[in-house]
Amino acid sequence: EAGVAQSPRYKIIEKRQSVAFWCNPISGHATLYWYQQILGQGPKLLIQFQNNGVVDDSQLPKDRFSAERLKGVDSTLKIQPAKLEDSAVYLCASSSREGTDTQYFGPGTRLTVL
Amino acid sequence: TQLLEQSPQFLSIQEGENLTVYCNSSSVFSSLQWYRQEPGEGPVLLVTVVTGGEVKKLKRLTFQFGDARKDSSLHITAAQPGDTGLYLCAGEPGNAGGTSYGKLTFGQGTILTVHP
Repeated sequence: EAGVAQSPRYKIIEKRQSVAFWCNPISGHATLYWYQQILGQGPKLLIQFQNNGVVDDSQLPKDRFSAERLKGVDSTLKIQPAKLEDSAVYLCASSSREGTDTQYFGPGTRLTVL
Repeated sequence: TQLLEQSPQFLSIQEGENLTVYCNSSSVFSSLQWYRQEPGEGPVLLVTVVTGGEVKKLKRLTFQFGDARKDSSLHITAAQPGDTGLYLCAGEPGNAGGTSYGKLTFGQGTILTVHP
C-alpha cells in the first residue's frame, strides 16, 4: 500500500513570495491533516479535513495560509505571502476516519524562507 | 491549549544503556501516542495507550500511561544505534471514551543519539 505522498520535498523562497504544497493521502482515507513542524519542536496541527470539509482550522493563520481539498482526495496548502517565521517542515497525514484511528504521515516538505 | 512537556530534550548514550523519556501535562488525555521520527521523514506511530495505568511493551520499548492519564513514559532497555531518532509523544485531549476527532497535541520531542 502506497504511503502519503508530498511534493515538493524542499522549497526555498524569499519572504513575501507565495508557495504551495501538495499532498496525496493513502487511498480511501477520509481524514487529512496538515501540520507545521518548526525545527526543535513537535508538529502543530494547522488544519484537519474530513472528506472535503474542514473539521478544525483553529490554528491556521488565515491571513496568509489557505488549504483546500476539493474532491476529498488530494489537498494543497498555500502560503501567501510567506514570512521568515514560516520556515518549517510541513507534514501531511491521513487516517481512515476520525477519532483515535492511526495517522500516517508523509515525508514532509521542508520550507526555507530567506 | 493543552500542553505536553517532554524531558529530556536531548539524550546521548552508549549502546547497551537504558533510558527513560517522560511526557507530562496538567491536562487529561483520552489517549496518548508515542512516535519516532527520523531525519527527512514523517513521524511513525509506535504505540497508543488509552487506559490509565496501562503498560505496553514493544520488544525493548516499554510504554506507560499514568493513572490520571496526564503523563506517560517511554523506557528503552539496552539501547542500540538503530534506536537513534526523535521521539514524540502526542495526546488526544478529553476524558476516557471521548474523542477530539483525531486532533493531537504533540510534545516538543526528545532527540536520542545512541553511540556504538
